[in-house]
Amino acid sequence: NAGVTQTPKFQVLKTGQSMTLQCAQDMNHNSMYWYRQDPGMGLRLIYYSASEGTTDKGEVPNGYNVSRLNKREFSLRLESAAPSQTSVYFCASSEVHGTVQETQYFGPGTRLLVL
Amino acid sequence: AQSVTQLDSQVPVFEEAPVELRCNYSSSVSVYLFWYVQYPNQGLQLLLKYLSGSTLVKGINGFEAEFNKSQTSFHLRKPSVHISDTAEYFCAVRNTGFQKLVFGTGTRLLVSP
Repeated sequence: NAGVTQTPKFQVLKTGQSMTLQCAQDMNHNSMYWYRQDPGMGLRLIYYSASEGTTDKGEVPNGYNVSRLNKREFSLRLESAAPSQTSVYFCASSEVHGTVQETQYFGPGTRLLVL
Repeated sequence: AQSVTQLDSQVPVFEEAPVELRCNYSSSVSVYLFWYVQYPNQGLQLLLKYLSGSTLVKGINGFEAEFNKSQTSFHLRKPSVHISDTAEYFCAVRNTGFQKLVFGTGTRLLVSP
């Protein structure tokens, strides 16, 4: 099992460019999440998908869109990148969102630099 | 709303010494508590979690944590650290009603020989 995979690993964008970060999990999990990690701020939830076909905003959704393509894949799109979106982005998945036994498993991250 | 405070941004320690990483949380309802570890250039890995039952929780790599409800704390401890424990450690909380996981700002553990 690969667990949670993310592509690309690194990306440099110019302000105003768009890109999509890809995430896939092979654990048959129902729920998937996108976080951003910034120095001194820990991880902040951008969007999540409790189950296939649903998506909800997290703490910092502005400037992002998501698509739950199928049960395995959850993508994050930046329509018009800004320097404030320079960050490390992590995708995570869990069996079922909100259950007692929920544990989130994380991908290796995508490092994004917006110039 | 719930929140997590990790007061120590960095903890230097010598190899084979004991270490405690502090975590305090704020919540008006019952909580579940987690510690994650992030090795350099990697994603987060679950160390241990408290859901209910015994307040002393044992995790991987010899780490343990104790849930103290009266002090709203969930400190992480290891009796003897190794160089390989050098990493960033995140405490996280989720309350039983509001389902999102909230992370602290992290503590960087630096183990030197």
